[in-house]
Amino acid sequence: QSVLTQAPSASGTPGQRVTISCSGSSSNIGDYYVYWYQQVPGTAPKLLIHRNNQRPSGVPDRISASKSGTSASLVISGLRSEDEADYYCAAWDDSLNGAVFGGGTRLTVL
Amino acid sequence: EVQLVESGGGLVKPGGSLRLSCAASGFSFSSYSMTWVRQAPGKGLEWVASIFSSGQYIFYANSVKGRFTISRDNAKKSLFLQMNSLRAEDTALYYCAREGGYYEAPDYWGQGTQVTVSS
Repeated sequence: QSVLTQAPSASGTPGQRVTISCSGSSSNIGDYYVYWYQQVPGTAPKLLIHRNNQRPSGVPDRISASKSGTSASLVISGLRSEDEADYYCAAWDDSLNGAVFGGGTRLTVL
Repeated sequence: EVQLVESGGGLVKPGGSLRLSCAASGFSFSSYSMTWVRQAPGKGLEWVASIFSSGQYIFYANSVKGRFTISRDNAKKSLFLQMNSLRAEDTALYYCAREGGYYEAPDYWGQGTQVTVSS
């Protein structure tokens, strides 16, 4: 049971826009920055978004994110086949004194 | 370029010990908090332990508290995880990661080192 809640799966067709949500509480998302990662099976997680909505260099601008209260969302526009992967949200949690992760959302490009 | 390279994983019997290492390069290691995150086969990401830049604060997940010890050597730009009293449920790929800032989630990750606990 993950501290942050994500839907286990999402899907879309090429070119579509997909939203992946992440729900937490006041001890994590409510008070701390949200991070998002993409993980292709067999590889290490790759940072997509840091500090709620900041894209590192190299991440395309069709990837965006937002945070509101104790929830956050990742939006992938112009869906491409290479977006097929697992996506995780994360934040610090001050009741656990550590980072907490969502259970991951597997994105399938149909 | 930030690089994190883990080593030290392997096959160990229940109750045994392992020491993981992580060699960092491409950034000012002594300025960042560092963390270990693990991923059991087919499962999600689980935070294990974090250590602040000078080692002044250390935090552990309840699942490893009292068995694992995180440490760092800033002069050698290295992070460590001493794992004792290993259990089957500790079997996972262990990632070394740099935290984005104090009380933040990780930003850069290594490729991971496999730990398998089995008799």
